[in-house]
Amino acid sequence: EAGVAQSPRYKIIEKRQSVAFWCNPISGHATLYWYQQILGQGPKLLIQFQNNGVVDDSQLPKDRFSAERLKGVDSTLKIQPAKLEDSAVYLCASSFRQGLNTEAFFGQGTRLTVV
Amino acid sequence: DAKTTQPPSMDCAEGRAANLPCNHSTISGNEYVYWYRQIHSQGPQYIIHGLKNNETNEMASLIITEDRKSSTLILPHATLRDTAVYYCIVRVLNTGGFKTIFGAGTRLFVKA
Repeated sequence: EAGVAQSPRYKIIEKRQSVAFWCNPISGHATLYWYQQILGQGPKLLIQFQNNGVVDDSQLPKDRFSAERLKGVDSTLKIQPAKLEDSAVYLCASSFRQGLNTEAFFGQGTRLTVV
Repeated sequence: DAKTTQPPSMDCAEGRAANLPCNHSTISGNEYVYWYRQIHSQGPQYIIHGLKNNETNEMASLIITEDRKSSTLILPHATLRDTAVYYCIVRVLNTGGFKTIFGAGTRLFVKA
């Protein structure tokens, strides 16, 4: 079974530029998550999708971050414009369903450096 | 906020059992305890989860106390490759659905 795919693996941009990350979840997984992990910290949930609908985006800085999952499969996360404090690893995860008894599978992440 | 507390770091000798504790005193009756680990430069990896009974799989064992307020992840024979950050998580149900909230985790160092 293929895992969660993310691209690119690394990205370096200047502040105020825009950037987009792509995620392809495990086939058949209805729930998709985007996390931000700053160096030395645990992952922080940014947004959670159930199929193509947003379940929770309470931690997403909506003035600069946006995410979509138009067909309920792939997802993109965009930052526009980027700030220095956005430097982090952006992790995508998916799970078969929502629920208390279901594990999430993570991709390797995209490491973003804003200079 | 995370519903769990873990020690920031632990050491373990290679070949010995690594016992990683976790406190989750506010856990609700139907909430599961999950463990993930994150090896440097990789995404978190699912290890095991449980509700009230002890669980075992090919990676680890999970011991949950009878009152469910704490648990211990056991790696029976730690290897150098088990050096990682281990996260204990209780999935939280809120108005937006079920959320997996990570804390700071325990950094486990396995030493030769």
